Amino acid sequence: DAMVIQNPRYQVTQFGKPVTLSCSQTLNHNVMYWYQQKSSQAPKLLFHYYDKDFNNEADTPDNFQSRRPNTSFCFLDIRSPGLGDAAMYLCATSRAGGYIETQYFGPGTRLLVL
Amino acid sequence: AQSVTQLGSHVSVSEGALVLLRCNYSSSVPPYLFWYVQYPNQGLQLLLKYTSAATLVKGINGFEAEFKKSETSFHLTKPSAHMSDAAEYFCAVSAPCSGAGSYQLTFGKGTKLSVIP
Repeated sequence: DAMVIQNPRYQVTQFGKPVTLSCSQTLNHNVMYWYQQKSSQAPKLLFHYYDKDFNNEADTPDNFQSRRPNTSFCFLDIRSPGLGDAAMYLCATSRAGGYIETQYFGPGTRLLVL
Repeated sequence: AQSVTQLGSHVSVSEGALVLLRCNYSSSVPPYLFWYVQYPNQGLQLLLKYTSAATLVKGINGFEAEFKKSETSFHLTKPSAHMSDAAEYFCAVSAPCSGAGSYQLTFGKGTKLSVIP
């Protein structure tokens, strides 16, 4: 089945220690998104890629970076995680058809910062 | 700016009872609206979406939603709740974001549905 895969499902890191979260897709979608979802809150868009074009949301902290080496893979790098970065990180993909295109979500990576 | 408001952070229903989850939207242009479901420790799964083709939208697992422009609402319903419906439900509206051909989902705060046996 075509799908969005996130690894690892759970990630524990230490305060200030860089961490990388991974997302891959078999849907061959042009657009890939990263959302942050804190406990009992709605998902919030951090950034997205349209093919190789990177688009950062205005209020995404500089601490968060992303890489998309090819169509299938996208990475979220947190350079110096703080306690406030503990959250579920959701990767999503969509075709580039506009407003009505469905976003397909992966299962998420839950990040714990000690 | 487009936004959605979900009324009620928690809703409890008895098994077999009607499920009604409320969502109101604010949009300066015709909105495209979505309902997603999230089970514990999982990602979001699309239930249904409104794309202006029909005001009554049928989704998966017996859910449906009706778009009412006069009330700026897109409430989610299911005639008979099942234990497996217990989850968190998010209403969302799509809006353009930077970058041609891509858009973002702006989510409501979510409604946690509990089903009582």
